[in-house]
Amino acid sequence: GNSVTQMEGPVTLSEEAFLTINCTYTATGYPSLFWYVQYPGEGLQLLLKATKADDKGSNKGFEATYRKETTSFHLEKGSVQVSDSAVYFCAQTNFGNEKLTFGTGTRLTIIP
Amino acid sequence: GAVVSQHPSRVICKSGTSVKIECRSLDFQATTMFWYRQFPKKSLMLMATSNEGSKATYEQGVEKDKFLINHASLTLSTLTVTSAHPEDSSFYICSAPDKRESSYNEQFFGPGTRLTVL
Repeated sequence: GNSVTQMEGPVTLSEEAFLTINCTYTATGYPSLFWYVQYPGEGLQLLLKATKADDKGSNKGFEATYRKETTSFHLEKGSVQVSDSAVYFCAQTNFGNEKLTFGTGTRLTIIP
Repeated sequence: GAVVSQHPSRVICKSGTSVKIECRSLDFQATTMFWYRQFPKKSLMLMATSNEGSKATYEQGVEKDKFLINHASLTLSTLTVTSAHPEDSSFYICSAPDKRESSYNEQFFGPGTRLTVL
């Protein structure tokens, strides 16, 4: 079945550091891939998405590229800020199937 | 983007009582809504798919008599935890896809409901 494997946390970085959170998936067919973010005390928000191979999703300085050959969708940001502290979830869904399969989440803490 | 609300945001109840959680799509209609459960420091587990006008579809291992779902209208789904026990304490989250814009149905999440059963 479909699954998402995500880098275990927690991750602690200094402000302005480079961030990578790894995510790989297994799926039948051609899934759409997502990164969701959950800020403290809030619900999940879509951070970025990619719906086909080689697509790059980007938002708020974050990027992730849909790599079919490595079945990966790693999240990156060149210079993190304290306000990026949150839990990040990688997820997938197959076209026509609205069910989201989530990774375990990665808690990110940025220290000044 | 579209907005999904949940009520209440936090509830504490005694063991054996039932608790109802509401999920509303505020500015769009949702024929389908999803209910998730999130354990501390864990991922979201899909519990069931709520279907307007028909029965909910439960994921394997989720007790449908324990977690009653009613999708009464195109903007409201309710989850009732019946005869709650301490092990039902968790963070419950709903989501709804907004199908208005494109072939890709982005899902919007409610802020969640923290249930504590004493």
